[in-house]
Amino acid sequence: EVQLVESGGGLVKPGRSLRLSCTASGFTFGDYAMSWFRQAPGKGLEWVGFIRSKAYGGTTEYAASVKGRFTISRDDSKSIAYLQMNSLKTEDTAVYYCTRDPTGVDWFDPWGQGTLVTVSS
Amino acid sequence: DIQMTQSPSSLSASVGDRVTITCRASQSISSYLNWYQQKPGKAPKLLIYAASSLQSGVPSRFSGSGSGTDFTLTISSLQPEDFATYYCQQSYSTTITFGQGTRLEIK
Repeated sequence: EVQLVESGGGLVKPGRSLRLSCTASGFTFGDYAMSWFRQAPGKGLEWVGFIRSKAYGGTTEYAASVKGRFTISRDDSKSIAYLQMNSLKTEDTAVYYCTRDPTGVDWFDPWGQGTLVTVSS
Repeated sequence: DIQMTQSPSSLSASVGDRVTITCRASQSISSYLNWYQQKPGKAPKLLIYAASSLQSGVPSRFSGSGSGTDFTLTISSLQPEDFATYYCQQSYSTTITFGQGTRLEIK
């Protein structure tokens, strides 16, 4: 069974950093792009960014709202994707989800259960 | 960025009803359109990919159609477990975007 489990969320002050992890199981992690999405309380889904598989260069793409502050990386040996979030703002408060697809620009299935990040002083 | 607009934003319907949700893209996206269902406190679930392909395990009462800029998600006979929020998502552009969501409520 394919599973994705996010961890690392919590309460953090504005301007600080936080790193989320997405631990995968049940599939060949290195064959897939890994994406991050978020959902602010009571709002819709927002794409954060993705990292391609090594076969597609392992490069990254980011939403304009997080570019320069967030960094996505991956450790294929551990089947983990990371979302490093720096210079956090109150508007980054959201549930963060990870998911997978072959290229980063396909359809996403399954999704992890999400981890809540709250940015507040 | 490609803007995705869903209509209606909310919808009240009864068990057994046929329901259609529309998604319009700000430019042509061919068939690069996916649909998700999300229940409160849960992660999104893929229903339809590539505009009309039913994801494995999804009941056949769900169907999708369209291409270019106009797409629809149809639920042929609403079941109690279908009351949720539905999102369309375009995968034409590297910058992924979603519709604002359609909340399907029990009448």
